[in-house]
Amino acid sequence: DGGITQSPKYLFRKEGQNVTLSCEQNLNHDAMYWYRQDPGQGLRLIYYSQIVNDFQKGDIAEGYSVSREKKESFPLTVTSAQKNPTAFYLCASSTWTGSPFNQPQHFGDGTRLSIL
Amino acid sequence: GENVEQHPSTLSVQEGDSAVIKCTYSDSASNYFPWYKQELGKRPQLIIDIRSNVGEKKDQRIAVTLNKTAKHFSLHITETQPEDSAVYFCAARDDKIIFGKGTRLHILP
Repeated sequence: DGGITQSPKYLFRKEGQNVTLSCEQNLNHDAMYWYRQDPGQGLRLIYYSQIVNDFQKGDIAEGYSVSREKKESFPLTVTSAQKNPTAFYLCASSTWTGSPFNQPQHFGDGTRLSIL
Repeated sequence: GENVEQHPSTLSVQEGDSAVIKCTYSDSASNYFPWYKQELGKRPQLIIDIRSNVGEKKDQRIAVTLNKTAKHFSLHITETQPEDSAVYFCAARDDKIIFGKGTRLHILP
């Protein structure tokens, strides 16, 4: 399933630094999502986008920002305001039938972010 | 908002036996319930899903049952095989999607 590509696979952040995680899809999906996965936890929604130039906060948006300038791309920036950024970040996409989250999501391989 | 509880957190079964993972949800408006499998170091992948207008769905060795009255849904894997070893996540969707914390399934030889 090479439809969603996340890069880099591993990323290290210094204190006070913003870092950007890349997510690209070639599935022609309208909806894209960002999740954070911590050990022993389920996936928690950070941001989602249903259409180009529009995005919505999820349950844990504080300290993160996104953009959706192209249908294929949904980058996530982890800002210095996110005090506990060490986690595994997963990007996903799906078709959109008028409302989000009611279609199967296709995930990327994830980016593991660590603090130096 | 929605809350999803998943049990057990760890499950070990003998190869060939059945495995059952249960999830409960809080919002009666939830209408879509997917199950994802995540093998070690890999991406989550959808294995089966069910919508609120259906009580049961089956795909080969995998089945999901939904009890809307009790607000719980379960994943059933029959004739388990070594490749079934993974973490399984349930999810429930109302206006957003909420995932359970996962069940680590070990298939014992």
